[in-house]
Amino acid sequence: SQQGEEDPQALSIQEGENATMNCSYKTSINNLQWYRQNSGRGLVHLILIRSNEREKHSGRLRVTLDTSKKSSSLLITASRAADTASYFCATAADLLFGNEKLTFGTGTRLTIIP
Amino acid sequence: NAGVTQTPKFRVLKTGQSMTLLCAQDMNHEYMYWYRQDPGMGLRLIHYSVGEGTTAKGEVPDGYNVSRLKKQNFLLGLESAAPSQTSVYFCASSYVEDRAEYSPLHFGNGTRLTVT
Repeated sequence: SQQGEEDPQALSIQEGENATMNCSYKTSINNLQWYRQNSGRGLVHLILIRSNEREKHSGRLRVTLDTSKKSSSLLITASRAADTASYFCATAADLLFGNEKLTFGTGTRLTIIP
Repeated sequence: NAGVTQTPKFRVLKTGQSMTLLCAQDMNHEYMYWYRQDPGMGLRLIHYSVGEGTTAKGEVPDGYNVSRLKKQNFLLGLESAAPSQTSVYFCASSYVEDRAEYSPLHFGNGTRLTVT
């Protein structure tokens, strides 16, 4: 069963622009993680935000979390061609069980146009 | 460090054949996982292991078996392959010292399996 749903499914922007993608989830969470997947490769962890945090930064990445709306957003600023990838949110609902209860969304396909 | 290594990268099977996918990690991680990725479905957990000699079922375990005889290796077996098992399979590992502190998953680059 899927917990997170990313929106939009696909996004194309010009290099240098900012990219925003959203994740909505259904049940209460302990934390929410964002991963990137380049074509033909495995997922790479980008950032984790806990349920008691509202915003987190890592380099050009900014993640927000609104637990009242059960949603998160990932902002990539000053996009580069190398940011072309699929981005997935993953939610951990249960503190007792750890990553084995991590649920992934279906992803946003981001294309950066040079 | 190689991280998480999966072999093979590609495989084509006929219905009813068996095979084993190998995952090896050199990060001394306790936890290892097998996922499958299908278009429009996201990643779904097949089986996982919280330590050497232990395994547990995930969300979609039917038709698969796993073994964790050594801490660094996690094997996924298909005893009788079916077309519905055509997918990309990912292995991942993580270090979890305290369940209150999540550690990120480290993924291999996947095995693309086609069952005809």
